[in-house]
Amino acid sequence: QVQLVQSGAEVKKPGASVKVSCKTSGYTFSSYGISWERQAPGQGLEWMGWISADTGDTKYAQKFRDRLTITKDTSTNTAYLELRSLRSDDTAVYFCARDQRYSSSWNDYWGQGTLVTVSS
Amino acid sequence: DIQMTQSPSSLSASVGDRVTITCRASQSISSFVNWYQQKPGKAPTLLIYAAHSLHSGVPSRFNGRGSGTDFTLNISSLQPEDFATYYCQQSYSAPRTFGQGTKLEIK
Repeated sequence: QVQLVQSGAEVKKPGASVKVSCKTSGYTFSSYGISWERQAPGQGLEWMGWISADTGDTKYAQKFRDRLTITKDTSTNTAYLELRSLRSDDTAVYFCARDQRYSSSWNDYWGQGTLVTVSS
Repeated sequence: DIQMTQSPSSLSASVGDRVTITCRASQSISSFVNWYQQKPGKAPTLLIYAAHSLHSGVPSRFNGRGSGTDFTLNISSLQPEDFATYYCQQSYSAPRTFGQGTKLEIK
């Protein structure tokens, strides 16, 4: 069965970076894409970006463009989100989700979420 | 960015009721709308994609309609497991914006 398993919770200081992993299984990794979304405490969902696991093409939300990098490792079927220059308002649960191969369309399977806490 | 305005923000209903949640896009987005359900402490799950296509395994009491700017998610005959928060999302252009959510509560 399709599974996306994310790395564990992180606590970071303001200005630091965080890298969250999303290990996939149960499907052909390169036939799909991966999106990343986040959800601040008590708030709604926010789309951050997408990567094609086939071509490596990426799309980012403009608000994160200068401090977000999404990558993939096809040898381990894993996608990564790296967010730099963390601020307190980056405290959120970060989700990876399977998406379509050539564009971000819909997310049919999701990871369990990774809580990132930014606090001094 | 395309704004997705979802209504109502909360809704009380009883088991067996039929409910409708509405999402309006700030510009025409054809049929590029998805609907998700989220329960507390859990990841969202996909219900409907491309406005009206039911995701595999989702009960047929969930139904999506609309095109252009106006979209609806209908749930016929509410079941106890349907009480959750629902989000629409547009996939017409990046960033893939979400509505603010509709919390469906038991009356």
